[in-house]
Amino acid sequence: GQNIDQPTEMTATEGAIVQINCTYQTSGFNGLFWYQQHAGEAPTFLSYNVLDGLEEKGRFSSFLSRSKGYSYLLLKELQMKDSASYLCAVRADYGGSQGNLIFGKGTKLSVKP
Amino acid sequence: EPEVTQTPSHQVTQMGQEVILRCVPISNHLYFYWYRQILGQKVEFLVSFYNNEISEKSEIFDDQFSVERPDGSNFTLKIRSTKLEDSAMYFCASSGGPGGAGEQYFGPGTRLTVT
Repeated sequence: GQNIDQPTEMTATEGAIVQINCTYQTSGFNGLFWYQQHAGEAPTFLSYNVLDGLEEKGRFSSFLSRSKGYSYLLLKELQMKDSASYLCAVRADYGGSQGNLIFGKGTKLSVKP
Repeated sequence: EPEVTQTPSHQVTQMGQEVILRCVPISNHLYFYWYRQILGQKVEFLVSFYNNEISEKSEIFDDQFSVERPDGSNFTLKIRSTKLEDSAMYFCASSGGPGGAGEQYFGPGTRLTVT
């Protein structure tokens, strides 16, 4: 089966750093994506990892360990506007770069002043 | 910046009726997708479409559903004989521009309410 786990909720303080973990067990692996979703809105693309290691993009970084089936999203210098759900998604097929995404249930992050 | 658009933003229909949800993908993208998200639940894949045919579909995408690309810009999802449990947010996404990792860009969604 396909299984993606991430914490349901997290709380952090403005200006701090928060790490959101994701573990996955899928029939195949062809990339891991992080999306941000504000309530009532569409998911917006944040980051992509296909090889092991850290990808940095401004205040956001994402890490992948394929052997462990593990990824995390690191958010630095938290701002109030970062309060949202963060979705971990795996592209599980090997049919090129355009396969469908399997989403986790999302981690709802609340940033407090 | 190019974006995926969807219409309508909200659709209310009675059980048993047919609805058509419309999407305009990003113009140079080649791959199109429909996902749905029932309130409070995770985003679920429905179907992907490439080169004028379905490339993948999930168990959810049964005979009640169909997709079409009627012209060079629109991508539609038709739901026949709607049921109460079809109430959800339906997102269209596209990918496959030059370069990139195949990241999918989502439209703002259509909230479907079946009464």
